Amino acid sequence: QQPVQSPQAVILREGEDAVINCSSSKALYSVHWYRQKHGEAPIFLMILLKGGEQKGHDKISASFNEKKQQSSLYLTASQLSYSGTYFCGTEVGTASKLTFGTGTRLQVTL
Amino acid sequence: DTAVSQTPKYLVTQMGNDKSIKCEQNLGHDTMYWYKQDSKKFLKIMFSYNNKELIINETVPNRFSPKSPDKAHLNLHINSLELGDSAVYFCASSPAGDLWYEQYFGPGTRLTVT
Repeated sequence: QQPVQSPQAVILREGEDAVINCSSSKALYSVHWYRQKHGEAPIFLMILLKGGEQKGHDKISASFNEKKQQSSLYLTASQLSYSGTYFCGTEVGTASKLTFGTGTRLQVTL
Repeated sequence: DTAVSQTPKYLVTQMGNDKSIKCEQNLGHDTMYWYKQDSKKFLKIMFSYNNKELIINETVPNRFSPKSPDKAHLNLHINSLELGDSAVYFCASSPAGDLWYEQYFGPGTRLTVT
């Protein structure tokens, strides 16, 4: 069963903040975040691992609540370039498959 | 200097035909994947290979057969195409070692079955 993301879509003005949530019904080993611009390939943003370790690109922050199997991606001071669809991907074990969430479409306007 | 490339970019074909999509990565990665993204943008893994060995084989019809001739290539052959096969197919790769988690996606192949 795929993770559920919320909101499904959000429209921001440049400079505003947004939070994207990802919720799984399974115990998770890790949560990955990707962004996909229209007509392009998904791009890796960051990974959050069980135990608290995080790895990823600068200017992106996220949290992982292991007890609730939830992750949130925080987009602050949004820029036009942040527009796209954000996907969380979850793993239930090491070297297991990545199950992507339902996606959140983000649009940043002037 | 393309990292993960796929050919063709677009593929339009009729039901019942057989087609192949090719993927190549020049990143030296050990693991390669095929994903299917449907019209609702749902991205789902199909197969994964590690050093030419199949490690993930999701519940996909037998009409789909991946082949990895070497570590840098992972092709997808589809027999007897159906309307429901229409989607964007992404190839991806990831390295071994400390950066194992980061998957690099190819540009995608948009398959339209008529």
